[in-house]
Amino acid sequence: DADVTQTPRNRITKTGKRIMLECSQTKGHDRMYWYRQDPGLGLQLIYYSFDVKDINKGEISDGYSVSRQAQAKFSLSLESAIPNQTALYFCATSDPDRPDTQYFGPGTRLTVL
Amino acid sequence: GESVGLHLPTLSVQEGDNSIINCAYSNSASDYFIWYKQESGKGPQFIIDIRSNMDKRQGQRVTVLLNKTVKHLSLQIAATQPGDSAVYFCAENQGSWGKLQFGAGTQVVVTP
Repeated sequence: DADVTQTPRNRITKTGKRIMLECSQTKGHDRMYWYRQDPGLGLQLIYYSFDVKDINKGEISDGYSVSRQAQAKFSLSLESAIPNQTALYFCATSDPDRPDTQYFGPGTRLTVL
Repeated sequence: GESVGLHLPTLSVQEGDNSIINCAYSNSASDYFIWYKQESGKGPQFIIDIRSNMDKRQGQRVTVLLNKTVKHLSLQIAATQPGDSAVYFCAENQGSWGKLQFGAGTQVVVTP
């Protein structure tokens, strides 16, 4: 079984809809991250969480919110989706002892029409 | 090498040859660098890392070289195989734990 899972893997939605992307991990890591990837660009950090009570904005948090329901679960929400949020979304985890070595999920491809 | 934009740099390599992927980083204060491999339809996968107090590190068929003077990082893949076809990203830690700055990536295409 994969260590970091994301659901759904693909989603098509309409402008204005609320969308939640979910991430679960079995690695036992405290730190979790949400990234966005656009074609031809690197990964951009949306939000990150060092533990259940510690959530921080990344470089492109506007239009997104997150919830850390448990150590193993970190959800990303788009409150009112817009077309320029069409992208690949990745969740990642890391161990506090090696915070820079991040393990990524398979990604969610989101299309906003 | 790395660049920002809609078109990824592409490196075409013949199977069996060595590949060299380059990356220029921006922050002289960065002290940790990682290379990730992303295959089509998958998330990035850790390949190898290097700290700023080193200038070379070797793994299985891969070597990372760090030149802090010119802020340059490279990944060398020996005897490139079809399974090496992927997008390769470099990432730097800009002094804040766990917060990585990723490059745009280089597409490696292995030809028979």
